[in-house]
Amino acid sequence: QLQLQESGPGLVKPSETLSLTCTVSGGSISSNNYYWGWIRQPPEKGLEWIGIIYYSGSTYYNPSLKSRLTISSDMSKNQISLKLSSVTAADTAVYYCTRGLLGASDYWGQGTLVTVSS
Amino acid sequence: QSALTQPPSASGSPGQSVTISCTGISSDVGNYNYVSWYQQHPGKAPKLMIFEVSKRPSGVPDRFSGSKSGDTAALTVSGLQAEDEADYYCSSYAGSNNYVFGTGTKVTVL
Repeated sequence: QLQLQESGPGLVKPSETLSLTCTVSGGSISSNNYYWGWIRQPPEKGLEWIGIIYYSGSTYYNPSLKSRLTISSDMSKNQISLKLSSVTAADTAVYYCTRGLLGASDYWGQGTLVTVSS
Repeated sequence: QSALTQPPSASGSPGQSVTISCTGISSDVGNYNYVSWYQQHPGKAPKLMIFEVSKRPSGVPDRFSGSKSGDTAALTVSGLQAEDEADYYCSSYAGSNNYVFGTGTKVTVL
């Protein structure tokens, strides 16, 4: 059974960089059938698509976050990562790691809450 | 890219049907058949209910169905059950490997 587990600091200071890792078990991120991505949800608000990475390493980002965002993968560790720089309170959210197939996210991690505060 | 428009709330009695709309524009919902729907219970991660407009993943009851006409997609839940009470989000491919979510709809089972 595929499992995705997000990890990283739960508290980040304003202007610093938010860094999260998603460890995938029960499947390989190097499969060319899928893509992997991040989605976030501010408290009491809706879902926001952040970006995706393909097995080839190609990345695609939400235009509103593109200038601050880096998504990467480590095939040897079966992990994907997210880095969001110059964070503000507006970046406070639950961040989900997902697997994508046919335009949909069919597997989700449990999510991790990141709070931006001094 | 702007969020897809969903009604904030919808409701129905047990056994009834409820339909949730998801309105986009010609460059997202209207141009691609990559519309998906997610169910989210409080404190939980979203769960994929419908992909490619009307396909159900294995394990999703056939009470859930999806459709699309022009720039608007819809999710219908038939035979409402108490456990269907949740937030529902649509999502669409928006071209250039970008995706957009809907604003979300809270479904209440009366």
